[in-house]
Amino acid sequence: GQNIDQPTEMTATEGAIVQINCTYQTSGFNGLFWYQQHAGEAPTFLSYNVLDGLEEKGRFSSFLSRSKGYSYLLLKELQMKDSASYLCAVIDSNYQLIWGAGTKLIIKP
Amino acid sequence: GAVVSQHPSRVICKSGTSVKIECRSLDFQATTMFWYRQFPKKSLMLMATSNEGSKATYEQGVEKDKFLINHASLTLSTLTVTSAHPEDSSFYICSARSGDDYNEQFFGPGTRLTVL
Repeated sequence: GQNIDQPTEMTATEGAIVQINCTYQTSGFNGLFWYQQHAGEAPTFLSYNVLDGLEEKGRFSSFLSRSKGYSYLLLKELQMKDSASYLCAVIDSNYQLIWGAGTKLIIKP
Repeated sequence: GAVVSQHPSRVICKSGTSVKIECRSLDFQATTMFWYRQFPKKSLMLMATSNEGSKATYEQGVEKDKFLINHASLTLSTLTVTSAHPEDSSFYICSARSGDDYNEQFFGPGTRLTVL
């Protein structure tokens, strides 16, 4: 079956750095997304990786290793507004989006 | 990025009634639209994929007669929850995609449905 694993919840301090990991086992791979979702709102796009390596976009970076079936989202200089759920999603060989359950990130002052 | 709207944002209805949710792409043509539902603290669950002018493709376990999807134009898709029951209460989210660029999927703000 298809599976995406990410931690259920993480806590970090304002101003610090946090890394949210995602591992996947899917039938084929055509790219990996990270989305941010605040409570009661729809997801918003953060990043898309299809090749191995690190993609940096401001305070957020996303890394992909296809051979390991592994990605992480790195958030720097954490702000209180970064408190949200972070969803990892993979496009499989049928071009279907497979969603992880999301990681709830709690930022403390 | 492109904008997708949903209407209504919240709806409360009585059991047995039908509710229609609209999803519109405001500044691009959406060849494909997706409908998701999300339960509290759970991930998104894809319900169906709709392409403009053709029948929607439903995911396994989703009743097509209960969740009617119409994608009549390149900017509008509707989801009708027929004969709603309390277990249909959920957060319904649509997303829209233009062409085959999978980097270009945009989400609507979601509709909170509560069935009493």
